[in-house]
Amino acid sequence: AQSVTQPDARVTVSEGASLQLRCKYSYSATPYLFWYVQYPRQGLQLLLKYYSGDPVVQGVNGFEAEFSKSNSSFHLRKASVHWSDSAVYFCAVRVNYAQGLTFGLGTRVSVFP
Amino acid sequence: EAAVTQSPRNKVTVTGGNVTLSCRQTNSHNYMYWYRQDTGHGLRLIHYSYGAGNLQIGDVPDGYKATRTTQEDFFLLLELASPSQTSLYFCASSDEGGIYAEQFFGPGTRLTVL
Repeated sequence: AQSVTQPDARVTVSEGASLQLRCKYSYSATPYLFWYVQYPRQGLQLLLKYYSGDPVVQGVNGFEAEFSKSNSSFHLRKASVHWSDSAVYFCAVRVNYAQGLTFGLGTRVSVFP
Repeated sequence: EAAVTQSPRNKVTVTGGNVTLSCRQTNSHNYMYWYRQDTGHGLRLIHYSYGAGNLQIGDVPDGYKATRTTQEDFFLLLELASPSQTSLYFCASSDEGGIYAEQFFGPGTRLTVL
């Protein structure tokens, strides 16, 4: 079965600094890859997704992610964070129609002024 | 933008109690999903549905039933609630259910089983 690992449970960053969140997946082929964000007391929202093509994919709010087949990774990054980026970020994969999304445990990001 | 609503937002029940969580989406999506979110486990899929009257089993279905009465409405039923079912429950919907389809999530229902 596929799995998703987000090795950093919490990340703290200063406003204006860059951010990178790591995600590694375990699956024999390339799955469909997603990053979702959960703001406080809200449901999850899609940031970006990837399956094929340019390994760097752009998302909303200045986020982008880079896929690496050799590393089985799909890391999320943002050049300059804002306090409103404080949230929990989830990496997720999906491999076929018979299964839903498989989520990582999430990374809680705290942005300090 | 997709609108997914859930009710109630908070629910407290006792062990052995009967609980129904409701989800409604108003964007004519065919696919709907129920997830639970727990510390240390992330989100896990309980049940999902392709359309009215259809039900598919997810990854953690034990102790849960679900029913899709209309395209808009998807219910999660806990007929004999247990403390292990204390969790934050999310409903989601997607268009066509394609592998690449974005899922739109509701705000969640926090369930506590005493």
